[in-house]
Amino acid sequence: NAGVTQTPKFQVLKTGQSMTLQCAQDMNHEYMSWYRQDPGMGLRLIHYSVGAGITDQGEVPNGYNVSRSTTEDFPLRLLSAAPSQTSVYFCASSPFSGGAQETQYFGPGTRLLVL
Amino acid sequence: AQSVAQPEDQVNVAEGNPLTVKCTYSVSGNPYLFWYVQYPNRGLQFLLKYITGDNLVKGSYGFEAEFNKSQTSFHLKKPSALVSDSALYFCAVRAPREAGTYKYIFGTGTRLKVLA
Repeated sequence: NAGVTQTPKFQVLKTGQSMTLQCAQDMNHEYMSWYRQDPGMGLRLIHYSVGAGITDQGEVPNGYNVSRSTTEDFPLRLLSAAPSQTSVYFCASSPFSGGAQETQYFGPGTRLLVL
Repeated sequence: AQSVAQPEDQVNVAEGNPLTVKCTYSVSGNPYLFWYVQYPNRGLQFLLKYITGDNLVKGSYGFEAEFNKSQTSFHLKKPSALVSDSALYFCAVRAPREAGTYKYIFGTGTRLKVLA
């Protein structure tokens, strides 16, 4: 299994540009989520999904869109990039069983710089 | 609303000494609690979790954590610290499904520095 993969690893955008951060998992996990990591702020939840076709907002959803058309993929779209969106973005997936199997698996991250 | 507090930005401990990284939480119902570790320029790795059962849970690399419901705490501990334990540690909480929310909420992280 490849686990959770994210592309690209690093991206530079200009203010106002749009882009999509890709996330895929091959573990058939129901739950997928996106976080941003900023110094002193920890990981903050942007959006999450509990299954294909079902998404919901996290703590900091403004400026981001998501969709979940398949179990495997959970792309994050930046609609109009702003310098405040400079961050490291992590995607994660989990079986979401509420039992012994429940653990979030994280991707390697995407470092985004918005100029 | 769910929340997690890690009151210490940094914890310094001498190699061989016991370490504790603190975490308190707020959530409706019985919580699911997690600890993750992040090494420099790496993603997050799972350490241990409390779902139900024994209050003392054991995890990877010799770490353990104690769930204390009355104090709403889930502190991470290790009897003897190693220099290689130096990293950023995150506590996280999820409310049970019956609470109607499915968010994992993370703390701000605690940087552990083990001194040789």
